[in-house]
Amino acid sequence: NAGVTQTPKFRILKIGQSMTLQCAQDMNHNYMYWYRQDPGMGLKLIYYSVGAGITDKGEVPNGYNVSRSTTEDFPLRLELAAPSQTSVYFCASSGQPRGAGHEQFFGPGTRLTVL
Amino acid sequence: QKEVEQDPGPLSVPEGAIVSLNCTYSNSAFQYFMWYRQYSRKGPELLMYTYSSGNKEDGRFTAQVDKSSKYISLFIRDSQPSDSATYLCATSGAGSYQLTFGKGTKLSVIP
Repeated sequence: NAGVTQTPKFRILKIGQSMTLQCAQDMNHNYMYWYRQDPGMGLKLIYYSVGAGITDKGEVPNGYNVSRSTTEDFPLRLELAAPSQTSVYFCASSGQPRGAGHEQFFGPGTRLTVL
Repeated sequence: QKEVEQDPGPLSVPEGAIVSLNCTYSNSAFQYFMWYRQYSRKGPELLMYTYSSGNKEDGRFTAQVDKSSKYISLFIRDSQPSDSATYLCATSGAGSYQLTFGKGTKLSVIP
């Protein structure tokens, strides 16, 4: 089991460029999430998905888009990159919430710099 | 008021010390409480979770929840340099799949 994988690990973008951050999980989880983590600011939810074909906005969705065509993949699209999108991006997945809680499994992150 | 408040530190302790990490939360609907550990340049990983009030122990780690005061704690006994990481608390409501995270506390254990 690879768990949650993310590509690329690092990327530098120029202002106005676009890119897609890839995320895949092999745990057959229905729930997937995209977070950004800025220094000293914790994790902020960008978008989430409760299953293939279903996505919804989180706390900070502006400037991003997502799609979920399969259970395994949940790519995050940045359109017209801005310096404010410089951050570390984490993808996570989880199974059905059960009585014992709802653990989210995180990928290794993508470190993005917009110059 | 933020839903989950956590002192960002940094916190530096000598090896072998007892470490206390804390969070407060405002939403009384939260019922699941988690601690994630994040090593530098890695993704967070679940360390411990508790349901409702009470204590849970796992080796050198003890998680404590006091719902009456909306206070969450993580204690690390006999701290080791390998415990050096950022610790994030997280909460969730019943049946909810979304987590609310604190900002994280950066811990350094000095040999």
